[in-house]
Amino acid sequence: ETGVTQTPRHLVMGMTNKKSLKCEQHLGHNAMYWYKQSAKKPLELMFVYNFKEQTENNSVPSRFSPECPNSSHLFLHLHTLQPEDSALYLCASSQDGEVGGFQETQYFGPGTRLLVL
Amino acid sequence: GENVEQHPSTLSVQEGDSAVIKCTYSDSASNYFPWYKQELGKRPQLIIDIRSNVGEKKDQRIAVTLNKTAKHFSLHITETQPEDSAVYFCAAPGEYSGGGADGLTFGKGTHLIIQP
Repeated sequence: ETGVTQTPRHLVMGMTNKKSLKCEQHLGHNAMYWYKQSAKKPLELMFVYNFKEQTENNSVPSRFSPECPNSSHLFLHLHTLQPEDSALYLCASSQDGEVGGFQETQYFGPGTRLLVL
Repeated sequence: GENVEQHPSTLSVQEGDSAVIKCTYSDSASNYFPWYKQELGKRPQLIIDIRSNVGEKKDQRIAVTLNKTAKHFSLHITETQPEDSAVYFCAAPGEYSGGGADGLTFGKGTHLIIQP
């Protein structure tokens, strides 16, 4: 599948490292999302970008810093993470629906499995 | 914000039988309800969704029903097959802003096991 891609697929980092996760969508969408999936919690929304502008920040700690340079690319910059941040980080994209209309389908990437030591 | 509750957490059914998974939501303004299937080690994939202007939607062996008054929606899978074994998640827009790109609030998931 090539609709939404994520790199790297696996990442191990120490608590003092800085790393970045990358997401790219080839679907012509203009909204992109970061979600966190950990073993003990359901899928949790982190950030929403619509036409490159951040429209939602779900009370995410500042050690996670998103960047959306254009509608096709989304990054998640990581620094001084904690072991409890170990999880699967999923990117998704969707078309932007009409204002006042319905949400459009979100398509997920394969995720980056992150382990913080 | 939106709160989505999903039941049961685990569901085991005999191959060929039907499976029903139920979700409730809290925000009466929510108007879009997707269901995702996630196999082990894979990404969540949309299997069906419903918008609030209809009460039921079917796609072959899968159907979703929506009761806006009671604020609940359900996934129905008929004639279950081994390949239906997976974790299923329901969702609703988390902070309905009236726009077309809202983050989703997910239920905790249902592990569906199809017994041969």
